[in-house]
Amino acid sequence: DTAVSQTPKYLVTQMGNDKSIKCEQNLGHDTMYWYKQDSKKFLKIMFSYNNKELIINETVPNRFSPKSPDKAHLNLHINSLELGDSAVYFCASSQMGSSPLHFGNGTRLTVT
Amino acid sequence: GQQLNQSPQSMFIQEGEDVSMNCTSSSIFNTWLWYKQDPGEGPVLLIALYKAGELTSNGRLTAQFGITRKDSFLNISASIPSDVGIYFCAGPSNFGNEKLTFGTGTRLTIIP
Repeated sequence: DTAVSQTPKYLVTQMGNDKSIKCEQNLGHDTMYWYKQDSKKFLKIMFSYNNKELIINETVPNRFSPKSPDKAHLNLHINSLELGDSAVYFCASSQMGSSPLHFGNGTRLTVT
Repeated sequence: GQQLNQSPQSMFIQEGEDVSMNCTSSSIFNTWLWYKQDPGEGPVLLIALYKAGELTSNGRLTAQFGITRKDSFLNISASIPSDVGIYFCAGPSNFGNEKLTFGTGTRLTIIP
């Protein structure tokens, strides 16, 4: 009965590769997010989708491309991975207009 | 942009002690949220505050929405080992509830 699930939990890859992270929520929420947590544990929003439409796009390199096939799924594709992309990426969901976010357990991405 | 500074940055306490931490903002917030992150997991909502001066409890946790709307406080009474983790304050940005700004975090460690 996992609410927000992300796969994979760990991802180790080499510079220059392309990788994807998947996220699914079964809470019936209409808004989903990607957050990045750096090595100092600072959490910063990257993207937000509401009913499959992009509503927030922070100053993230265009190597990062989110895709929302339906309101229960939000995937993150990253092209040409760089060392600085190493971080933990969290997916989250909420109902529009209601602040509390529900987070997944994160995907730890390590770029070597 | 909006910044949320938390203090202390880290705390080392003994089991049974009470804990106090705070969060200050450079601008006014209309909602304050407190999250806890356990190692290897995503942040989980502890308490939500919606009105200046509001004092809300959740078990041994008590949080207050500062009167100035620029700060919030979280207290934990009689700490236990499972309280270990990182505590984050968060609030919606000027954009709206869909863009949460997170604080810098307070890491709580319990010394045996």
